[in-house]
Amino acid sequence: QKEVEQDPGPLSVPEGAIVSLNCTYSNSAFQYFMWYRQYSRKGPELLMYTYSSGNKEDGRFTAQVDKSSKYISLFIRDSQPSDSATYLCAMTGDYKLSFGAGTTVTVRA
Amino acid sequence: EAQVTQNPRYLITVTGKKLTVTCSQNMNHEYMSWYRQDPGLGLRQIYYSMNVEVTDKGDVPEGYKVSRKEKRNFPLILESPSPNQTSLYFCASSPGAAAPHEQYFGPGTRLTVT
Repeated sequence: QKEVEQDPGPLSVPEGAIVSLNCTYSNSAFQYFMWYRQYSRKGPELLMYTYSSGNKEDGRFTAQVDKSSKYISLFIRDSQPSDSATYLCAMTGDYKLSFGAGTTVTVRA
Repeated sequence: EAQVTQNPRYLITVTGKKLTVTCSQNMNHEYMSWYRQDPGLGLRQIYYSMNVEVTDKGDVPEGYKVSRKEKRNFPLILESPSPNQTSLYFCASSPGAAAPHEQYFGPGTRLTVT
């Protein structure tokens, strides 16, 4: 069993819809929970991170962490075609990082 | 411009021919790391470095070597490449060794081993 599980999708939504992404994990030592966005043929870029449990909002993006359920989520409101990308969840509790497989999202104009 | 650079961007080689992929960052970051990305498996950490002369294994270190002699450079060495090392490789850096969550990634190196 992988340490971090993420549904690869693909996910296709109309412009303006809410995109909901999630990951589950097994390692209770994880403290930082990150979401990266990766456009085709590019390196991943950090969208946002959360320390421990709770919610964090940045513009149209909201990250949620539920450590009791070992479950994290990313919501994208008012999705735009420019949000079409692969979204990777990642986690760390020390110096090593563990990534999910990534979910490919397409926002249709 | 603050960035992580990798060279080469594309490389086709043959089994057993030693190669080095360079990685350099100009942000004075302490932490650097190498990943490989394969379809369905996502990003997997190969090696990481908390500072100069301090390196440690990630989840898939077999067949790879690294060195960190200078803060800005972190080359990845494949002494005897094999076809199962065909992959997309990313180098990344992070401001503090205690905060590797804030990773800045390079553009990637696509390696094919025949």
